[in-house]
Amino acid sequence: AQSVTQLDSQVPVFEEAPVELRCNYSSSVSVYLFWYVQYPNQGLQLLLKYLSGSTLVKGINGFEAEFNKSQTSFHLRKPSVHISDTAEYFCAVSPRAGAGTALIFGKGTTLSVSS
Amino acid sequence: DTGVTQSPTHLIKTRGQQVTLRCSPISGHKSVSWYQQVLGQGPQFIFQYYEKEERGRGNFPDRFSARQFPNYSSELNVNALLLGDSALYLCASGPGNKDTEAFFGQGTRLTVV
Repeated sequence: AQSVTQLDSQVPVFEEAPVELRCNYSSSVSVYLFWYVQYPNQGLQLLLKYLSGSTLVKGINGFEAEFNKSQTSFHLRKPSVHISDTAEYFCAVSPRAGAGTALIFGKGTTLSVSS
Repeated sequence: DTGVTQSPTHLIKTRGQQVTLRCSPISGHKSVSWYQQVLGQGPQFIFQYYEKEERGRGNFPDRFSARQFPNYSSELNVNALLLGDSALYLCASGPGNKDTEAFFGQGTRLTVV
């Protein structure tokens, strides 16, 4: 079984400041890792994903994340946030092997960017 | 290119009623997954269908059922609605049977009163 823990439920930051949203996961099998963003009254949009290869993954809107296997973490970072980054962010994992798939999501982190 | 479309966008049902939610995947996608997102929580996996066969089922009661049609569209049915079924129901489509390439629709907001 897999589980995802997003360590901060809310992260308030000022515009142009850096931000890190933390995600730890637990799994008995190898997993793929994802970050999604959800704007109010919208579905989920994929920010980035780690499937294999380089542990530093770059995504859309200037976000990046680093996979740390030893710490089972996949923290999301952005060097300078904008007001428009205000949204809910979800970390998710999915097992690599086996038929079918299930994205297992964390509870989400609300990023609030103010001027 | 049209994205994943879900209908209806909102609906209100009474406890004990039945509801059917619909999802049309992106053209060429053969996989459809359903997720339930309760307010303030992350989405929870309900079902995945690939090539019209059920490939995965989450920890939901038998009141929840789904199917996929020959054109790869899908329906999610929920019987005997409870207040706790109030949630945003998200559909995701993908080209293969892994959600590594999943694209989500805008969701259907179900309110049970």
